[in-house]
Amino acid sequence: DGGITQSPKYLFRKEGQNVTLSCEQNLNHDAMYWYRQDPGQGLRLIYYSQIVNDFQKGDIAEGYSVSREKKESFPLTVTSAQKNPTAFYLCASSIQGSSYNSPLHFGNGTRLTVT
Amino acid sequence: AQSVTQPDIHITVSEGASLELRCNYSYGATPYLFWYVQSPGQGLQLLLKYFSGDTLVQGIKGFEAEFKRSQSSFNLRKPSVHWSDAAEYFCAVRTGFQKLVFGTGTRLLVSP
Repeated sequence: DGGITQSPKYLFRKEGQNVTLSCEQNLNHDAMYWYRQDPGQGLRLIYYSQIVNDFQKGDIAEGYSVSREKKESFPLTVTSAQKNPTAFYLCASSIQGSSYNSPLHFGNGTRLTVT
Repeated sequence: AQSVTQPDIHITVSEGASLELRCNYSYGATPYLFWYVQSPGQGLQLLLKYFSGDTLVQGIKGFEAEFKRSQSSFNLRKPSVHWSDAAEYFCAVRTGFQKLVFGTGTRLLVSP
């Protein structure tokens, strides 16, 4: 079955360490996204990518970095510069990023806890 | 700025009763509207979407939503709630070809 795989489901890190969250999709979608979810705040866009080797900052990109070397993969690195990294991270994809009516398909998320 | 408001943080409904979840948006142009559902610890699943045409749209799991331009609303409804509908529901508006703005969500509790 096609879908989006995020791994791991739970991730624990010490403060000051960088950590990379994996996101892989086999839907052949062009666009991929990273959202952060905090209780009571909905979802906020971190980064998005419309095509391979291209990505743009979202609303809360500070302290995060991404790469898009393959169409299927869009890993997110949470750097030590991110002040409040503990959150639930959701990866999503859509058929065509330039199409207004293409809905987002989401992975099951990674819960990151930094202590 | 574009925004989505879900005024109810929590709603409790008895099983078998009807449900309406409110969503108001702020966007100058024609909105592209979505409702998603999220079970605990899971990703979001698309329930339904509105782009144009008939203002009453049908979705999965027996849900429907009505777009009312005059009220800037896109409320989600279900005639009879099941215990499995307990989840968090998010309304979203697409404001640019990459920009999907979400509301803060409404958590639905279903009582026996």
